[in-house]
Amino acid sequence: QSALTQPASVSGSPGQSITISCTGTSSYVGSSNLVSWYQHPPGKAPKLMVYEGSKRPSGVSNRFSGSRSGNTASLTISGLQAEDEGVYYCCSYAGYSTWVFGGGTKLTVL
Amino acid sequence: QVQLVQSGAEVRQPGASVKVSCKTSGYSFTASYIHWVRQAPGQGLEWMGWINPNGGGPSSGGTNYAQKFQGRVTMTGDTSISTAYMELNRLTSDDTAVYYCARDFCTTTSCLSPWGQGTLVTVTS
Repeated sequence: QSALTQPASVSGSPGQSITISCTGTSSYVGSSNLVSWYQHPPGKAPKLMVYEGSKRPSGVSNRFSGSRSGNTASLTISGLQAEDEGVYYCCSYAGYSTWVFGGGTKLTVL
Repeated sequence: QVQLVQSGAEVRQPGASVKVSCKTSGYSFTASYIHWVRQAPGQGLEWMGWINPNGGGPSSGGTNYAQKFQGRVTMTGDTSISTAYMELNRLTSDDTAVYYCARDFCTTTSCLSPWGQGTLVTVTS
């Protein structure tokens, strides 16, 4: 099964931009419509932030954007705000109608 | 609006089973897959599987499970009350986790939104 690797943590100051990477062992991560990103605030349910690689659900700020290059998908958050803190997970198709999450990246806004 | 409301916390002994429910509202239950995801203490999200309430899918059984849970998990749905269920058998302490259900609003990929509030399952002797 495909494994997804994310950095354990990233940090940035308010107003800055950060990028979280998600590297997969299979080619699925490189397919633009097979990766989604979730924000998981402490004690709450996860929230979809980006799907099909770069689309945003209604209500999600345009400060969140998704991209890909080779076998790596990325989530960029611009204009960092304190409310952006939390753990972010990528999720990719893993073949045979299964899905896999990355290990998660803790975002700290300094 | 679309809502998923899960059943309350459960405590089980090792070797027992647990069945978590996920009552949906605000959309046609049979129109979207329901995925189940769990998070053990201090760990990340782990995908468990999905159910197609309308039937169909791998081998037309309407469900598909992560290999790790094959033979131990069963996902079902009751269309009359728009509710999905996840039953996990032969529990061990490693199954202590918060279990989430989530609606998949995409058809060709996975777009999980919204999620239920989560159900804490504690396995302890």
